[in-house]
Amino acid sequence: DTEVTQTPKHLVMGMTNKKSLKCEQHMGHRAMYWYKQKAKKPPELMFVYSYEKLSINESVPSRFSPECPNSSLLNLHLHALQPEDSALYLCASSQGILRRTSGFYNEQFFGPGTRLTVL
Amino acid sequence: AQTVTQSQPEMSVQEAETVTLSCTYDTSESNYYLFWYKQPPSRQMILVIRQEAYKQQNATENRFSVNFQKAAKSFSLKISDSQLGDTAMYFCAFMKVTGNQFYFGTGTSLTVIP
Repeated sequence: DTEVTQTPKHLVMGMTNKKSLKCEQHMGHRAMYWYKQKAKKPPELMFVYSYEKLSINESVPSRFSPECPNSSLLNLHLHALQPEDSALYLCASSQGILRRTSGFYNEQFFGPGTRLTVL
Repeated sequence: AQTVTQSQPEMSVQEAETVTLSCTYDTSESNYYLFWYKQPPSRQMILVIRQEAYKQQNATENRFSVNFQKAAKSFSLKISDSQLGDTAMYFCAFMKVTGNQFYFGTGTSLTVIP
């Protein structure tokens, strides 16, 4: 299984709603990522979890709250979002930093994304 | 800090022709990884090809190959025999050996014309 799954595919929410995005992988990867992507732009890193611990938080507003319940799951909790938060939210996973040997690339596997619209 | 530059925002190529996408980067690291990712209009990012800086041989994957020039800090992608399914955004990415973080270029939108 070389797949990263994300649910839901589409989400429309009001500025007062609370919702969650979910991401799952069963590749035994120990690093998981959340990205935000606007149209025709590269993904912007939001959070990195390494071995279930938050290792990178790219100064993301607190209305985005990540959670890593176990090594296979990654959630992104959303609350009081703004219209400018509308974007494609991508999840990715990789084997993680601790398994580095020659020829080990640690490439990231991306999910299909959740298209979020904030009204 | 690492920076990745893709100087061609948009490109087009006739079906069955060859096209080269450019990528340059700036780093003080001696070993690192470079990747090309493809994001078709359906939006799922998939890995096209990868290269470790210590490996002098250019990576190839079927119709995709790279020209890796370490001294010039250049990592261009060549697509041979272009197909309609190659139409996509292409992102160049850099990663340090000791980190998990990708540094993406701004992307090149490639259109294959029938």
